[in-house]
Amino acid sequence: RKEVEQDPGPFNVPEGATVAFNCTYSNSASQSFFWYRQDCRKEPKLLMSVYSSGNEDGRFTAQLNRASQYISLLIRDSKLSDSATYLCVVNSGAGSYQLTFGKGTKLSVIP
Amino acid sequence: NAGVTQTPKFRVLKTGQSMTLLCAQDMNHEYMYWYRQDPGMGLRLIHYSVGEGTTAKGEVPDGYNVSRLKKQNFLLGLESAAPSQTSVYFCASNYGTGRDEQYFGPGTRLTVT
Repeated sequence: RKEVEQDPGPFNVPEGATVAFNCTYSNSASQSFFWYRQDCRKEPKLLMSVYSSGNEDGRFTAQLNRASQYISLLIRDSKLSDSATYLCVVNSGAGSYQLTFGKGTKLSVIP
Repeated sequence: NAGVTQTPKFRVLKTGQSMTLLCAQDMNHEYMYWYRQDPGMGLRLIHYSVGEGTTAKGEVPDGYNVSRLKKQNFLLGLESAAPSQTSVYFCASNYGTGRDEQYFGPGTRLTVT
């Protein structure tokens, strides 16, 4: 079975801290990579897509290392509102529209 | 736009009862998906559809059936509910390019006693 592995956490960090999440995936044919955010008792929502060259959206930076099959998400200057579970998601193979979800890493930002 | 909606939001069933979960999307998406989410597990794909009138099995299809009679609706049926089907069920949809995000509904919390 193709897997996506994440550190389950929880990560408890103070406001203003920088926190990094790591993810590994086993399917070398995967071509699309995402980070989703899921608030408690809510549906997952796309946080950002992850591109080979790395990409940044405000305080969030995503990196992809295809050779190591590794994806990361860096959150700078953490806010209380960043408290959520972060899901690493990859497509299930070349050209596949099916997604494989990691179990998620829970983040709690503490005042 | 409402996006993806699911009904009902909550349901309690007794073992052996049947029910249908309804998912509706107003984004003209071709692809629709049903997932279940259990504590300590990632989202797991139950069934999916790549267009009106088509359905296919996902990772955990046993005990569920689906139908996609209209493009905007995707129904998930439990014919004889079991306690192992206690879960949160999410519906999602997208254009199916392989690179576009999936939009999720708010979920249905189902308890089977």
